[in-house]
Amino acid sequence: GAVVSQHPSRVICKSGTSVKIECRSLDFQATTMFWYRQFPKQSLMLMATSNEGSKATYEQGVEKDKFLINHASLTLSTLTVTSAHPEDSSFYICSATDRVKEKLFFGSGTQLSVL
Amino acid sequence: KQEVTQIPAALSVPEGENLVLNCSFTDSAIYNLQWFRQDPGKGLTSLLLIQSSQREQTSGRLNASLDKSSGRSTLYIAASQPGDSATYLCAPHSGGYQKVTFGTGTKLQVIP
Repeated sequence: GAVVSQHPSRVICKSGTSVKIECRSLDFQATTMFWYRQFPKQSLMLMATSNEGSKATYEQGVEKDKFLINHASLTLSTLTVTSAHPEDSSFYICSATDRVKEKLFFGSGTQLSVL
Repeated sequence: KQEVTQIPAALSVPEGENLVLNCSFTDSAIYNLQWFRQDPGKGLTSLLLIQSSQREQTSGRLNASLDKSSGRSTLYIAASQPGDSATYLCAPHSGGYQKVTFGTGTKLQVIP
């Protein structure tokens, strides 16, 4: 079964609204989680690294004020797309690290469509 | 910066064929390499993970090889089936197991 749960799987919203995506590790503590996005016909690109209890680290070109990341507990990280615009429409996916097993697990992804 | 290239970008084969997907990466100092499958609009399914000390890994009809020194990996699919139709992603892990770089993928279509 899935060890990383990501919700929602699909969201359609109007331009200007904010959307929150959750990523949960189900049976392990994840001190680090990663957020990726994938535009159509392109590769998955790392957006940011989320560390529990501290500020996220964003990749070059990713606006931290637009993509708010909160990693308040060892099992939950959230990505909020603020004031979403059509160009933010993309597939967003998270991953979480299980340090005990030294493995990386991925969520099932969220397809965001901004009208 | 790790760069990952996958060839071919797309592949269409009749059912039953054996096929090879290729992956090359620029930074050979990898921790391990993972192959994923991605179905349209869905998340990733991990297929195989090869440790940097390993040469290959097998799971059912899938066999992945790794030549770390030359920066290459191949995914071999035997006796392909229509259910194998998906995009296959190669993802080396650099700087430890957490940092993953994805290739652009090979979109496979297996025709019944």
